[in-house]
Amino acid sequence: KNQVEQSPQSLIILEGKNCTLQCNYTVSPFSNLRWYKQDTGRGPVSLTIMTFSENTKSNGRYTATLDADTKQSSLHITASQLSDSASYICVVSAKSNYQLIWGAGTKLIIKP
Amino acid sequence: EPEVTQTPSHQVTQMGQEVILRCVPISNHLYFYWYRQILGQKVEFLVSFYNNEISEKSEIFDDQFSVERPDGSNFTLKIRSTKLEDSAMYFCASNLADYTDTQYFGPGTRLTVL
Repeated sequence: KNQVEQSPQSLIILEGKNCTLQCNYTVSPFSNLRWYKQDTGRGPVSLTIMTFSENTKSNGRYTATLDADTKQSSLHITASQLSDSASYICVVSAKSNYQLIWGAGTKLIIKP
Repeated sequence: EPEVTQTPSHQVTQMGQEVILRCVPISNHLYFYWYRQILGQKVEFLVSFYNNEISEKSEIFDDQFSVERPDGSNFTLKIRSTKLEDSAMYFCASNLADYTDTQYFGPGTRLTVL
């Protein structure tokens, strides 16, 4: 069964610190992996999309990595800011039907 | 910057009533989607729409639901005979190219069924 698992479920860090969020998936055949940021009560906003051949992709202070062999991805946030407080969702697309399989998200709280 | 818009932002309805949620996708986009998110749960795919027809739908998208693109700009989700468990945030999304392209989400409509 196609699944996306994220860890940790929630994370609290101090402003200015770095953090890394994890995503494991069992989606096959794999098409691409996306990281979204979702503020409370708002629609998700795309951070990165990576295909099979891409190992890393950056978007400002966000850097996503992908290991297609182990089916793992991570999202690294550098020099966190209060505005980074949100849920970060890993989403994987399967080639078979291109339907997006959503993770439950990691709720990140940045404290001053 | 172009964005997806949705109306209303909050809809309250009585159980058994019909509701229509409206979306205006980004103007040059070709693929349109509806998702829902029950409070505290994962985002769930409902349906995708391309070339004036449904291209994919999930198990959730049963006969209670329908979608329509009545004109060149609006994309609607109709929910007939609403149930308490339909209470959720409903997001519309669109993209330009195909399923592999970035999807842009609207701000959502919060549906509350009483």
